[in-house]
Amino acid sequence: SQQGEEDPQALSIQEGENATMNCSYKTSINNLQWYRQNSGRGLVHLILIRSNEREKHSGRLRVTLDTSKKSSSLLITASRAADTASYFCATDAGGAQKLVFGQGTRLTINP
Amino acid sequence: ETGVTQSPTHLIKTRGQQVTLRCSSQSGHNTVSWYQQALGQGPQFIFQYYREEENGRGNFPPRFSGLQFPNYSSELNVNALELDDSALYLCASSLPAGQETQYFGPGTRLLVL
Repeated sequence: SQQGEEDPQALSIQEGENATMNCSYKTSINNLQWYRQNSGRGLVHLILIRSNEREKHSGRLRVTLDTSKKSSSLLITASRAADTASYFCATDAGGAQKLVFGQGTRLTINP
Repeated sequence: ETGVTQSPTHLIKTRGQQVTLRCSSQSGHNTVSWYQQALGQGPQFIFQYYREEENGRGNFPPRFSGLQFPNYSSELNVNALELDDSALYLCASSLPAGQETQYFGPGTRLLVL
């Protein structure tokens, strides 16, 4: 079964707007990662945040982690059509490098 | 591109058959993990191989088995295929524990009829 839940399941916004996706998980973790998947192909690693970190930035990406609420959010600023993809959070709840994924958020950026 | 390759890209089998999927890890990565992703779902961990030994297994039956070779490439074998085995199978390579980022291949899409 999946470790976490992602919200929303689908998100459609206009190009240039910001997109926010949320992830909740159930057990304690050492780190949480976000991956992107285009058209049902391989996953691409976006960013990793450790349990002792609250916020992390990478380019147009901003990730937050609240371990007390067991939740994380991914913000994509100034969205582009190329950001259209499914986004997954993954935790190490299964053990080191044994990732446990959420069900993902399908993001559509409309031109 | 991550440098992880998988073959074949697509495969069609019938129920009861056996299938072998292959993965070549990124150069220098000695750990390979396999995931199953059903349509519309997130990937689920099948098992992991480290230095040719199984190093953890998810909630999958024994008919899912694997191998890792001295060059760190890997195979996933599924016996007695069932309709529910239809999915995208992803392999991911990584460095040993302490390097949490995994590098995924493009996947093999398996359809069981």
